[in-house]
Amino acid sequence: DAKTTQPPSMDCAEGRAANLPCNHSTISGNEYVYWYRQIHSQGPQYIIHGLKNNETNEMASLIITEDRKSSTLILPHATLRDTAVYYCIVRVPNRDDKIIFGKGTRLHILP
Amino acid sequence: NAGVMQNPRHLVRRRGQEARLRCSPVKGHSHVYWYRQLPEEGLKFMVYLQKENIIDESGMPKERFSAEFPKEGPSILRIQQVVRGDSAAYFCASSPGTGGSSPLHFGNGTRLTVT
Repeated sequence: DAKTTQPPSMDCAEGRAANLPCNHSTISGNEYVYWYRQIHSQGPQYIIHGLKNNETNEMASLIITEDRKSSTLILPHATLRDTAVYYCIVRVPNRDDKIIFGKGTRLHILP
Repeated sequence: NAGVMQNPRHLVRRRGQEARLRCSPVKGHSHVYWYRQLPEEGLKFMVYLQKENIIDESGMPKERFSAEFPKEGPSILRIQQVVRGDSAAYFCASSPGTGGSSPLHFGNGTRLTVT
């Protein structure tokens, strides 16, 4: 079972920052937080991941709280093409490290 | 999703036929994962393979389904005697190795329709 909790859906106005929350209160010290998204009928797309520190790349920023029990994915300037289901995943770094997807957050970008 | 190649993109099979889905991982990646997504449902893990070895097949139905990742060539997901309930999108992912710091990269899937 997924070890994260996300709101089922969110709306965001085009051009504004989209902030997607994720709770992972049972995360262990060596587990990474990953974010993926799935745009309709495409394969999941890797966005970003982090362990303790905040991370930023060309797609998004990941803010992880100091206690690591929650995180926020930030899309700085959302566009209509960002409409997708966003998955927050906790990943255990051992030999059996398959990703288990939860239900994610369906993000609607409003024109 | 550039890098992981899945083919065919669409596959139509009649009930009772066999379906073969192929996945070529990103060059240099030795770990392959298969997922299934039924219509309007989430992604479900099926099987995790390394070269010539099945590491975890806990999500794969016990009958009719098999997977392999040979030393040479693509990974193959085989479904024998397909039924209508097998109609779904099947996604393959690859990674360079174990460890939480290696992202999985997904292909764009094979959409299987059983008529």
